[in-house]
Amino acid sequence: GEDVEQSLFLSVREGDSSVINCTYTDSSSTYLYWYKQEPGAGLQLLTYIFSNMDMKQDQRLTVLLNKKDKHLSLRIADTQTGDSAIYFCAESMGGSSNTGKLIFGQGTTLQVKP
Amino acid sequence: NAGVTQTPKFRVLKTGQSMTLLCAQDMNHEYMYWYRQDPGMGLRLIHYSVGEGTTAKGEVPDGYNVSRLKKQNFLLGLESAAPSQTSVYFCASSYSKPGTYEQYFGPGTRLTVT
Repeated sequence: GEDVEQSLFLSVREGDSSVINCTYTDSSSTYLYWYKQEPGAGLQLLTYIFSNMDMKQDQRLTVLLNKKDKHLSLRIADTQTGDSAIYFCAESMGGSSNTGKLIFGQGTTLQVKP
Repeated sequence: NAGVTQTPKFRVLKTGQSMTLLCAQDMNHEYMYWYRQDPGMGLRLIHYSVGEGTTAKGEVPDGYNVSRLKKQNFLLGLESAAPSQTSVYFCASSYSKPGTYEQYFGPGTRLTVT
C-alpha cells in the first residue's frame, strides 16, 4: 500500500537553511505536497510539485523531486523563527478514480533556534 | 469567506458517550474529509465524501460514522466513545475538478475520552 515516511525532528539555527526529507511509495502519484502546521492550528498548503517536474522554487522554498528514488525534499533558505512548525509531506493517490485523497507522512517538527 | 470551520473546538467525553463533530465549508467544494492526528502518526483519513449524499471509508473508519446531507456540511459521529479515540480531529475540503486537489483544513477539534 501507499506509505509516506519522514524524519520526526530537525533543529537549525536562525539564518541557516533547513532541508526536510520525505520518501513515498506510490509511483502513480500525480502531485506531491508540503503542508505546514503551526501550533494549535490546522494544516496549510505551502507548496506542491507535479510529478513530471524535478524542481520547483517559490521564494525561500525549493522543492526537489527524485522520482526514481521516490524522494522529495523541502529546502527553506534563511530559516526564521517563524518557520518553526510541523511540516507534512503528502502524496496524492493516483489512478483514474482520484478522489482527492492524500496520504500524509508523520510530520517533521522544525525547531529554529535564535 | 470563513473557509472551513469546525465545532466544537474542545470536548471531553466519558467512555460510552456519543457525540457529533460538525464541519462546514463555504467554498462550494465537492470533496470533504475527516482526519485524526495522533503524535508521531501524521494524519490518518477516517472517512471522506466526494459529493452531497455520498460517503466512503478511509484508512481508520472503525468506531466512526459520517453523513453529508448538505454539500457544505460533513458530520462525524462517535456512537460509543472509547479512550483510543482521544485525538485531534481535522476536517478538510477540496475542489473536485482535476488539478492540484489542495485540501483546505479546519482548525481542529481536540477530543479527550476518559
